[in-house]
Amino acid sequence: NAGVTQTPKFQVLKTGQSMTLQCAQDMNHNSMYWYRQDPGMGLRLIYYSASEGTTDKGEVPNGYNVSRLNKREFSLRLESAAPSQTSVYFCASSARWEAQHFGDGTRLSIL
Amino acid sequence: EDQVTQSPEALRLQEGESSSLNCSYTVSGLRGLFWYRQDPGKGPEFLFTLYSAGEEKEKERLKATLTKKESFLHITAPKPEDSATYLCAVQAVGYSGAGSYQLTFGKGTKLSVIP
Repeated sequence: NAGVTQTPKFQVLKTGQSMTLQCAQDMNHNSMYWYRQDPGMGLRLIYYSASEGTTDKGEVPNGYNVSRLNKREFSLRLESAAPSQTSVYFCASSARWEAQHFGDGTRLSIL
Repeated sequence: EDQVTQSPEALRLQEGESSSLNCSYTVSGLRGLFWYRQDPGKGPEFLFTLYSAGEEKEKERLKATLTKKESFLHITAPKPEDSATYLCAVQAVGYSGAGSYQLTFGKGTKLSVIP
């Protein structure tokens, strides 16, 4: 049982490049989330999707876009990467108010 | 604004030395409080959900408790494999629609258990 799968695991970009982070879950959850984790800042919500076809902004959405492709997949796009977006990105999924389950992250460096 | 504060930031224990981690929270109304464990290079792993004051949950050497203002994660006779960062998160009532699913995380307590 894979749970939440994120690709790629590591990526290095140059400032101004674009990139899409992929996330897929096999737990039949309706809700999916994107977080970033920075030293000293904890996990912060970027965007979330309560159900297929809906997306909403979280705490730190600037510079990001998302797509809920279907029930299983939720992608995060950086249109023009900036050094401030260097971080570890986590995708999670949940069944409504129940516990969120996380992938193992994408470690993104922007030079 | 929902807030979660975890203390201490870091804790070093000898193997077998029991202790507690604290999670203090401020929310307009609590729907649920979640504990997670995070190992280096991995995503957070779900441990417990607590819903109401007085509730307790146990798993192996871990026991989580909840009051109206804080939660404790008690670690009894810890082993080196319990070394990890422990995260606390709250889910609040009072948000409409999908906003009610959101979690607010604390910054975590890094636990090191020395053999």
